[in-house]
Amino acid sequence: GAVVSQHPSRVICKSGTSVKIECRSLDFQATTMFWYRQFPKQSLMLMATSNEGSKATYEQGVEKDKFLINHASLTLSTLTVTSAHPEDSSFYICSADNRLGEQYFGPGTRLTVT
Amino acid sequence: ILNVEQSPQSLHVQEGDSTNFTCSFPSSNFYALHWYRWETAKSPEALFVMTLNGDEKKKGRISATLNTKEGYSYLYIKGSQPEDSATYLCAPSGYSTLTFGKGTMLLVSP
Repeated sequence: GAVVSQHPSRVICKSGTSVKIECRSLDFQATTMFWYRQFPKQSLMLMATSNEGSKATYEQGVEKDKFLINHASLTLSTLTVTSAHPEDSSFYICSADNRLGEQYFGPGTRLTVT
Repeated sequence: ILNVEQSPQSLHVQEGDSTNFTCSFPSSNFYALHWYRWETAKSPEALFVMTLNGDEKKKGRISATLNTKEGYSYLYIKGSQPEDSATYLCAPSGYSTLTFGKGTMLLVSP
């Protein structure tokens, strides 16, 4: 079955540093990937839609300069949290579209900013 | 990574039919079970969060039950409407993990 991986699974960083999270579709090509974050006790929130070879589409209220998304290939999208602050601590999840209308979620990345 | 299974993979019903889906998950290290209603390219809508064995929750025509001992949860929709068409995701969580099933895609025809 289709598998989506994320790396790292957990990361702790100091305030002011940048963190890159990778989302890979392991056995299918994904022209579209989605990035979500989940705050404690809240639902998943769509942050942006990542399209291979073009700029990401950000949801209202999500700072594109803060959350840099790069979808350089059909199997890899990256989310970089720049100048991270404690309020950026969250659970970040990606999903990938296999071009058959099916979505597969990654296992998520727990980011803690100290 | 938890092995989370949802069935059926897809379902097509007529307006007014009642339906139910299943979510199976490992019963060890269980913390909570989340159900989401999700349309592609939108934020999933949280329906229920359940933690206790035997929990039953209801929201309008949608209800859910939880069995943590045997590792399954059922989601029921009574009198399905076309606007119920969506993918329904379950996600069991451990202390710091959240693993999504592949979802059940529901299509309700008028």
